[in-house]
Amino acid sequence: QKEVEQDPGPLSVPEGAIVSLNCTYSNSAFQYFMWYRQYSRKGPELLMYTYSSGNKEDGRFTAQVDKSSKYISLFIRDSQPSDSATYLCAMSQTRSDFYGSGNTGKLIFGQGTTLQVKP
Amino acid sequence: DVKVTQSSRYLVKRTGEKVFLECVQDMDHENMFWYRQDPGLGLRLIYFSYDVKMKEKGDIPEGYSVSREKKERFSLILESASTNQTSMYLCASSYRGTNEKLFFGSGTQLSVL
Repeated sequence: QKEVEQDPGPLSVPEGAIVSLNCTYSNSAFQYFMWYRQYSRKGPELLMYTYSSGNKEDGRFTAQVDKSSKYISLFIRDSQPSDSATYLCAMSQTRSDFYGSGNTGKLIFGQGTTLQVKP
Repeated sequence: DVKVTQSSRYLVKRTGEKVFLECVQDMDHENMFWYRQDPGLGLRLIYFSYDVKMKEKGDIPEGYSVSREKKERFSLILESASTNQTSMYLCASSYRGTNEKLFFGSGTQLSVL
């Protein structure tokens, strides 16, 4: 079983829809949760970063963490064609980078979900 | 604008060849990483470096080596390329002390025939 599971999709929605992207994980020690967005032929870029449980909102994007269920979500409101991309979740046990933290700072990535928003 | 630049967008090599993938960052980051990205498997860490001449193995280091002679440059070396190393290779960098924001290059799609 992978430490982080993410439905690869593809997910296709009409413009203006609410999109829900999800990841489940097995390691209860994960505390830091990230969402990266990757456009075609580009590298991933950080979209959202959250610590522990709760919600974080940034414009049309909301990241939600439910540690009791080991489940994280990214919601996109009023989706736009420009949101078409692959979305990767990532998580780690600590915020420190590798140096001096053992491997607890290592980011574990999900497989990525491909989203297409149709005009 | 901050940048992580990978030397080639596409590479085609033959089995057994020695392959060099180069990565340069202009952000004065201490940490640099090499990942490979495969459909259904996501990003897997090959090697990382937290300082010049320092390197640590990631999850899948077999068949790869790295070199970091200068702070801004991190090279991935495939000593003898094999077909199962056909993949998208992504370089990333970050500041020392925090792990949440990795800056990625655009990737090199390597095909080994």
